[in-house]
Amino acid sequence: KAGVTQTPRYLIKTRGQQVTLSCSPISGHRSVSWYQQTPGQGLQFLFEYFSETQRNKGNFPGRFSGRQFSNSRSEMNVSTLELGDSALYLCASSLLTGGNEKLFFGSGTQLSVL
Amino acid sequence: SQQGEEDPQALSIQEGENATMNCSYKTSINNLQWYRQNSGRGLVHLILIRSNEREKHSGRLRVTLDTSKKSSSLLITASRAADTASYFCATDPQGGSEKLVFGKGMKLTVNP
Repeated sequence: KAGVTQTPRYLIKTRGQQVTLSCSPISGHRSVSWYQQTPGQGLQFLFEYFSETQRNKGNFPGRFSGRQFSNSRSEMNVSTLELGDSALYLCASSLLTGGNEKLFFGSGTQLSVL
Repeated sequence: SQQGEEDPQALSIQEGENATMNCSYKTSINNLQWYRQNSGRGLVHLILIRSNEREKHSGRLRVTLDTSKKSSSLLITASRAADTASYFCATDPQGGSEKLVFGKGMKLTVNP
């Protein structure tokens, strides 16, 4: 079974631009979660999607948005990029939503905002 | 929001030694999980312990959970150079709005 695939692997943008990151979960997994990882803040939860519906959302500004398609693939979008958005963005999938689920992570998209 | 906090933040040991990492958290949980991350890559799930369990083993890994103290420990026995990585504890909070809440991680270096 193929793992979680995130594209692109690296991205360089300038302040004010917008960016779209893509995540393909493991086949059959219906839950996709996104995390932002920075050296200072660690892993911060962005949002979770299940069956095309956003189930949970972290404490991030509205510039961060996401969606999930009928095939469970997910995208996240960051508009009006700021320097502080530079981070490793990780996507994780799980079979279901709810408790006692382990997450399968992709390798991440390293975003640099100049 | 950070719930888990790993201790120590960094640990350096020799191959063959045991490594113990501790995690403390703040709220009631459904389960606690440990993950490993190699150098800026994705996280890999290691072990999950439910709130009604006290100890769990998986290969060279042993995890304990003390819900009264809101703490967990991960023991890696007979460490190998390949165990060099960052380790994160993650909690599934009861009634929480986040999927999993991760600590800031602990860097383990195993010297050959």
